[in-house]
Amino acid sequence: QSALTQPASVSGSPGQSITISCTGTSSDVAGYKYVSWYQQYPGKAPKLMIYDVNNRPSGVSNRFSGSKSGNTASLTISGLQAEDEADYYCSSYTSSSTLVFGGGTKLTVL
Amino acid sequence: EVQVVQSGAQVKKPGESLKISCELSGYTFTNYWVGWVRQMPGKGLEWMGIIYPADSETKYSPSFQGHVTFSADKSVSTAYLHLSSLQPSDTAMYYCARQGPYYDFGHIDYWGQGTLVTVSS
Repeated sequence: QSALTQPASVSGSPGQSITISCTGTSSDVAGYKYVSWYQQYPGKAPKLMIYDVNNRPSGVSNRFSGSKSGNTASLTISGLQAEDEADYYCSSYTSSSTLVFGGGTKLTVL
Repeated sequence: EVQVVQSGAQVKKPGESLKISCELSGYTFTNYWVGWVRQMPGKGLEWMGIIYPADSETKYSPSFQGHVTFSADKSVSTAYLHLSSLQPSDTAMYYCARQGPYYDFGHIDYWGQGTLVTVSS
């Protein structure tokens, strides 16, 4: 199975909104509600930010939101803050009963 | 509080084998899948597979099938990752994580701190 496609990098200024895309196929993103997003700081373990396309775990800021249209899922971060600078990964359940990650996106807060 | 605690860093020589342990606590160990994720130096996350501790059912990513083995010991709420015939390309951080109940393992909600494995002659 191929990794989901994410932009290598995105950037934004404090207070702005940014969106990170995650493109898959009918066998993963388009076919299931199980798209999730993870935040990872350098040298740290990933943290779940969004699950089942648009659900936030307890404790995650409501500045983070998720959506999906067809074979592309998106993570939007509004009111960008310096602490949001990190790597972000999407993942999806697949028709093979496995999980697949995206290649990751480095978010830079200018 | 759910906790995921992995064993420490290891340095191995090519051809050797490796076992990483992962102790999960704060919930019923047998009710959730336990997953493994690899992250090579400077690279992204790769899903390796999962094990269901209640009956040791496993699902492996095609990319890792045949090279890794998962096991679990219900008596000590611990999952294990076994890697054989190690090569320098196995050098990576390996994460253990909780990945949902039996019929809903679409995301990973709790992660271990990672175990760094270095393979070098």
